[in-house]
Amino acid sequence: DGGITQSPKYLFRKEGQNVTLSCEQNLNHDAMYWYRQDPGQGLRLIYYSQIVNDFQKGDIAEGYSVSREKKESFPLTVTSAQKNPTAFYLCASKGQGYQPQHFGDGTRLSIL
Amino acid sequence: GQQVMQIPQYQHVQEGEDFTTYCNSSTTLSNIQWYKQRPGGHPVFLIQLVKSGEVKKQKRLTFQFGEAKKNSSLHITATQTTDVGTYFCAGTPNNNAGNMLTFGGGTRLMVKP
Repeated sequence: DGGITQSPKYLFRKEGQNVTLSCEQNLNHDAMYWYRQDPGQGLRLIYYSQIVNDFQKGDIAEGYSVSREKKESFPLTVTSAQKNPTAFYLCASKGQGYQPQHFGDGTRLSIL
Repeated sequence: GQQVMQIPQYQHVQEGEDFTTYCNSSTTLSNIQWYKQRPGGHPVFLIQLVKSGEVKKQKRLTFQFGEAKKNSSLHITATQTTDVGTYFCAGTPNNNAGNMLTFGGGTRLMVKP
């Protein structure tokens, strides 16, 4: 969607390495989300943030970390503790109330 | 916790046939949203339903929200190859102060030309 930028598009991780996925939005949205999608599967919530300097664990937070130092940015770090990181990672943001979520183009992470 | 289930998980249709996906929540919802994800792409918002029994149409797509606000459906009339993708419903529970959406598992639609 216009307004949400994820980078890189493709990322490869070596064993024992932490990698960080970038998510930036210029929609002035307070809420931001990270989802993991495995092939042929639905979206699973990793972390979410409803306001700057605050974030909450989702359903599958183990092995991941986030920060929300700026309203526009919500980077996700996939740590070496995440033993099966190969997946499609989607970032989304949302305005107030029942507004829809706007998704970025995603990052495909693979293990080397 | 709240669960949102979608059926079927997969559906193959011949081009021109109709298609329906169903969404069921374990709790009453404030609203339901529908998204479409094309192969290799990201989910894109289609529509939101808020009122009990609401029906909305977008060309060949008809969306319904159940009277009890616990289920919803998406019906596509005379499918086309451009309808290929995964359709997700997502709902906000009535008692959710943070307006958190819970996504269903999606229905993957494949259309044979």
